[in-house]
Amino acid sequence: DAKTTQPPSMDCAEGRAANLPCNHSTISGNEYVYWYRQIHSQGPQYIIHGLKNNETNEMASLIITEDRKSSTLILPHATLRDTAVYYCIVRTYNTDKLIFGTGTRLQVFP
Amino acid sequence: SAVISQKPSRDICQRGTSLTIQCQVDSQVTMMFWYRQQPGQSLTLIATANQGSEATYESGFVIDKFPISRPNLTFSTLTVSNMSPEDSSIYLCSLGNFRGTEAFFGQGTRLTVV
Repeated sequence: DAKTTQPPSMDCAEGRAANLPCNHSTISGNEYVYWYRQIHSQGPQYIIHGLKNNETNEMASLIITEDRKSSTLILPHATLRDTAVYYCIVRTYNTDKLIFGTGTRLQVFP
Repeated sequence: SAVISQKPSRDICQRGTSLTIQCQVDSQVTMMFWYRQQPGQSLTLIATANQGSEATYESGFVIDKFPISRPNLTFSTLTVSNMSPEDSSIYLCSLGNFRGTEAFFGQGTRLTVV
């Protein structure tokens, strides 16, 4: 079973920051938090991952709370192309299979 | 990154028949996976395709219904057997942790069973 819970849907205005929360209260010490997104039923696309430190790349930032029980994915300047379903996944680093939860459907509007 | 070719991209099949989906990668990969995505749902892992041995199936999936082959490190097939309308889904292959990067997914096979 998925070890994460996410809100089913969120809206965001174009150009604003999109903040997508994820709860993973049962996360273990060796488990990472990964984020993927899926646009129009295409194959999921990797966004970012982290263990306990905050991470940033060209797509997004990942903020993980100190107790690691929750995290937030931040898209700093959302565009219409960011409209997608975003999945937060907890994964042991040496386990390649991904167990998807229900995800958050992000709608970016003009 | 790896290039994944998944075929067919879509198909419409009669109930009771079988369809074999192919996943070809341009480089050798250790781990390959098959997922199903039913309409409006999230992705569900079907099985891990093991090279040279039987696939490892997740709970709720059985080899008779979803036989998988993995003859080498660049190729795998998933067969959906004795199809019913409930098998109408998108089926995706995935590579795990390819060369230290994150999982890649094929573009999927959209299957409709009538």
